[in-house]
Amino acid sequence: QQQVKQSPQSLIVQKGGISIINCAYENTAFDYFPWYQQFPGKGPALLIAIRPDVSEKKEGRFTISFNKSAKQFSLHIMDSQPGDSATYFCAASGNAGNMLTFGGGTRLMVKP
Amino acid sequence: DVKVTQSSRYLVKRTGEKVFLECVQDMDHENMFWYRQDPGLGLRLIYFSYDVKMKEKGDIPEGYSVSREKKERFSLILESASTNQTSMYLCASIPQTGRGQTQYFGPGTRLLVL
Repeated sequence: QQQVKQSPQSLIVQKGGISIINCAYENTAFDYFPWYQQFPGKGPALLIAIRPDVSEKKEGRFTISFNKSAKQFSLHIMDSQPGDSATYFCAASGNAGNMLTFGGGTRLMVKP
Repeated sequence: DVKVTQSSRYLVKRTGEKVFLECVQDMDHENMFWYRQDPGLGLRLIYFSYDVKMKEKGDIPEGYSVSREKKERFSLILESASTNQTSMYLCASIPQTGRGQTQYFGPGTRLLVL
């Protein structure tokens, strides 16, 4: 039973387009929502994270939108570049502190 | 920079073999984790450790054990490897117990059990 559901599983976007990845969670105790980026042959690395006291967080071309009432959050990549091609994981943690529950991952391909 | 290293990038083992996967971090982190990564299932926590000789089960501990004799080293052990343990294994660490901390991952070990 996945507590964090991520969609789509794969995504193809043209260079310059917007990539959107969505996640939904069930546990209302979650209070920290990071996104990790994984390139082939590498381990995941933190990309951006949000807490539920804000509805949006932006870092460069990457934005997290958060909807607490719907228990959903999403990653938007503006002006997508071929170098953004990677697998993206959303995650969530809550009262357990360090423990992250990960979504199933989205493989993004940005075509030149 | 935090560095998390894993002993092997690729491993091929036979069913029934005992398998050791080793992870070392160089930043004096207290907490270490072992995950397995499978397509469509994301990362699932196998075991974690918050101190030397301490361990806690994660979501899928069956068929695995761990060892943490030194702070910097966390080993994952498959007592008797089975084909359904073919997967990518990722180790991670964080500095200390606390909410919302970045997990630092190693590059992963891709294990094939024949």
